[in-house]
Amino acid sequence: SQKIEQNSEALNIQEGKTATLTCNYTNYSPAYLQWYRQDPGRGPVFLLLIRENEKEKRKERLKVTFDTTLKQSLFHITASQPADSATYLCARRNTGGFKTIFGAGTRLFVKA
Amino acid sequence: EAQVTQNPRYLITVTGKKLTVTCSQNMNHEYMSWYRQDPGLGLRQIYYSMNVEVTDKGDVPEGYKVSRKEKRNFPLILESPSPNQTSLYFCASSSAGGPNEQFFGPGTRLTVL
Repeated sequence: SQKIEQNSEALNIQEGKTATLTCNYTNYSPAYLQWYRQDPGRGPVFLLLIRENEKEKRKERLKVTFDTTLKQSLFHITASQPADSATYLCARRNTGGFKTIFGAGTRLFVKA
Repeated sequence: EAQVTQNPRYLITVTGKKLTVTCSQNMNHEYMSWYRQDPGLGLRQIYYSMNVEVTDKGDVPEGYKVSRKEKRNFPLILESPSPNQTSLYFCASSSAGGPNEQFFGPGTRLTVL
């Protein structure tokens, strides 16, 4: 079955550093990988999407990569700020975009 | 304001007492979905709907029912709730055609005693 695996351990980094979060998937490559941010007690909020045939996507301080050989996506936050502290979720959506599988998320703490 | 709303936000009930969690979106989205979120397991898809009167099972549909009679509404029904359905539930919507971002509701925290 298809799975999305994210590092369950929290990531602690210093303000100003680059945070790198990992998302690994099993079986065949998804058509799309999406990244969401979730704050405690709130619904996830969409951040970025990357397609199977794209290697990298950027949006302001965010960067996502997609390596189909490693079956992995990396999510980077450059010049991190305490306000970036949250849980980040990776999700795969197949062609047609209906069925979605989420990873359990990685908690990020950015210390001032 | 574009949004997905859910009601109730919090609910404590007892085993076997039927309940409905409502979900409504004002973005004219074709696609809607229900997820449950449990510690360590992340978001798991319960049911999704591609459009009015079209629904399909996600990964954990047992014990749940849905209906899509109107485009904007997608209620989640628990006919006979059990304690293992205690969870945080999220409704989401997106436009059709491709990997469009999902907009999530604020969540419903359900406790079944």
